[in-house]
Amino acid sequence: EVQLVESGGGLFHPGGSLRLSCAASGFTLRSNFMSWVRQAPGKGLEWVSLINSGGNTYYADSVEGRFTFSRDNSKNTLYLQMNSLRAEDTAVYYCARDGLNGMYFDLWGRGTLVTVSS
Amino acid sequence: EIVMTQSPATLSVSPGERATLSCRASQSVSSNLAWYQQKPGQAPRLLIYGAFTRATGIPARFSGSGSGTEFTLIISSLQSEDFALYYCQQYNRWPPMTFGQGTKVEIK
Repeated sequence: EVQLVESGGGLFHPGGSLRLSCAASGFTLRSNFMSWVRQAPGKGLEWVSLINSGGNTYYADSVEGRFTFSRDNSKNTLYLQMNSLRAEDTAVYYCARDGLNGMYFDLWGRGTLVTVSS
Repeated sequence: EIVMTQSPATLSVSPGERATLSCRASQSVSSNLAWYQQKPGQAPRLLIYGAFTRATGIPARFSGSGSGTEFTLIISSLQSEDFALYYCQQYNRWPPMTFGQGTKVEIK
């Protein structure tokens, strides 16, 4: 079955760090562009970061310099290292596969909730 | 950054009726526009990409149109499972890919 499964969410303190994981099955991550998209409670969708098939990464201004997107090809798993956490990082974080014909998202995980609070 | 604006914020429709959702871009995005459906507690689901191409498994009652800055999603005859939040997203100029704020389709 083709799917994405996120993990690593929880309650974290402002200024803290965490690493989210996204395990893929049914397809090969390194052949695809992949993104993280987040959704704050009761709010809309916000693109966070992208990694392309060559391993190049791109970030939203709101997370640039604090978040790092990486990929482990041997484990077919993505990671989002999140440092210097802020309250406004509180959200459900989804990993998503970018489409074959453009940077839309044709496959989504179920998401993992990150809460940043003291 | 391209700003996407959806209207209306909430659309009240009776089952079996037609729903028309709008999405406007702050500058041209050509046909690089996608629509998603999201139900409470679930991840978004891709409905339409390329402004009018239905994603795999999406029923024909969902149709997309438009190009440039004005786009429309039509649900021709609303079924009970269609009451949800709908988002548009541009991917013409990135990063960042940007989403509209959403339209909630509710039962009238």
